[in-house]
Amino acid sequence: QQQVKQSPQSLIVQKGGISIINCAYENTAFDYFPWYQQFPGKGPALLIAIRPDVSEKKEGRFTISFNKSAKQFSLHIMDSQPGDSATYFCAASKGGSEKLVFGKGTKLTVNP
Amino acid sequence: DAGVTQSPTHLIKTRGQQVTLRCSPKSGHDTVSWYQQALGQGPQFIFQYYEEEERQRGNFPDRFSGHQFPNYSSELNVNALLLGDSALYLCASSPVGYNYGYTFGSGTRLTVV
Repeated sequence: QQQVKQSPQSLIVQKGGISIINCAYENTAFDYFPWYQQFPGKGPALLIAIRPDVSEKKEGRFTISFNKSAKQFSLHIMDSQPGDSATYFCAASKGGSEKLVFGKGTKLTVNP
Repeated sequence: DAGVTQSPTHLIKTRGQQVTLRCSPKSGHDTVSWYQQALGQGPQFIFQYYEEEERQRGNFPDRFSGHQFPNYSSELNVNALLLGDSALYLCASSPVGYNYGYTFGSGTRLTVV
């Protein structure tokens, strides 16, 4: 049973546009929601994370929006750049040091 | 400051063989987790080690086993390899009780033929 559902599977955005990736979770015990960025041949790298006590967190061009009642969270990439082209994974865990449950990933392509 | 180091980077094994993958955690980290990432999928949790003991385990068969050494490094062993075991195996480390996620290595690409 997939506990974290991620969409879309792939996304193409023009340079300077906004990229939006959505995730939904089922387990209400989850309390840590990170986003990871993965380039080909590399391991996932933590991009930004949020806890359910806040509805939004922003770090540079990256913003997480969190809706606890809907059990959904999303990643917004503002002013998308070709260097942002990668696969993005949302994840969830019960506490930041517990096992991570990942979504299936979104392959983002930013065209110049 | 070295991050998480995994070896080897690539490996080809024959069905039925056994394989050992190795991980050195980031300096200052004492908890090691292993994940399996099939092509086009998100990583799936295999198990986590802390103080040389398996602390948590995901839905993987007993063919998957691990070990953590006193210096916090870790090994993942897979016995009786199946074609379906072909994947990228990721090691992730964190300080114990650290509630801000993991640092992942670049992984070992295992191909079973």
